[in-house]
Amino acid sequence: AQKITQTQPGMFVQEKEAVTLDCTYDTSDPSYGLFWYKQPSSGEMIFLIYQGSYDQQNATEGRYSLNFQKARKSANLVISASQLGDSAMYFCAMREETYSSASKIIFGSGTRLSIRP
Amino acid sequence: DTGVSQNPRHKITKRGQNVTFRCDPISEHNRLYWYRQTLGQGPEFLTYFQNEAQLEKSRLLSDRFSAERPKGSFSTLEIQRTEQGDSAMYLCASSSSMRTVTGNEQFFGPGTRLTVL
Repeated sequence: AQKITQTQPGMFVQEKEAVTLDCTYDTSDPSYGLFWYKQPSSGEMIFLIYQGSYDQQNATEGRYSLNFQKARKSANLVISASQLGDSAMYFCAMREETYSSASKIIFGSGTRLSIRP
Repeated sequence: DTGVSQNPRHKITKRGQNVTFRCDPISEHNRLYWYRQTLGQGPEFLTYFQNEAQLEKSRLLSDRFSAERPKGSFSTLEIQRTEQGDSAMYLCASSSSMRTVTGNEQFFGPGTRLTVL
């Protein structure tokens, strides 16, 4: 069965520093996708970055990068040069990609990131 | 159409009453998902539609829950005989069926917060 584990319930980081949010996953399917979402206090889930299981390079999107270590089944999110607006809940998520690529996403329990000025 | 919309944003009801929520997805998206999120947890999958067909339902979706997407556009989620345990944020998301480099990421609405007294 699919499982996502985020072991850091909360983190505090100084503004402008880089931060790594941990995520490990478990699946028996060779084809899967990994996502990170941000949820500010307003409640809306915001897509940040995606990594496919067959992608050779780590995904990057602006200040976000995904440190994908397939053998270790980890997909850590790295935020460079953190900003006050980065304070939010961050969720790691996974989708097992069936032929239809439409199956549900399962989410981890999240990490609450707080940026100190 | 700039995003997924959900109505109402907040709903307070008494135990035993029926409630209905509406979700309007991004217009060109044919896939629509419902999730439930309780405090401090990640979203949990409830059900998924492709066009008007409901293709997957979670075991979390008891007989009291029903979802529809009659014309393949907006969707409704009804909870009958609400219980206090139904109190949660109900999130709707939509995605395209066209393959994207970002893994057909799901775009989330702002959610409907349900409080059952």
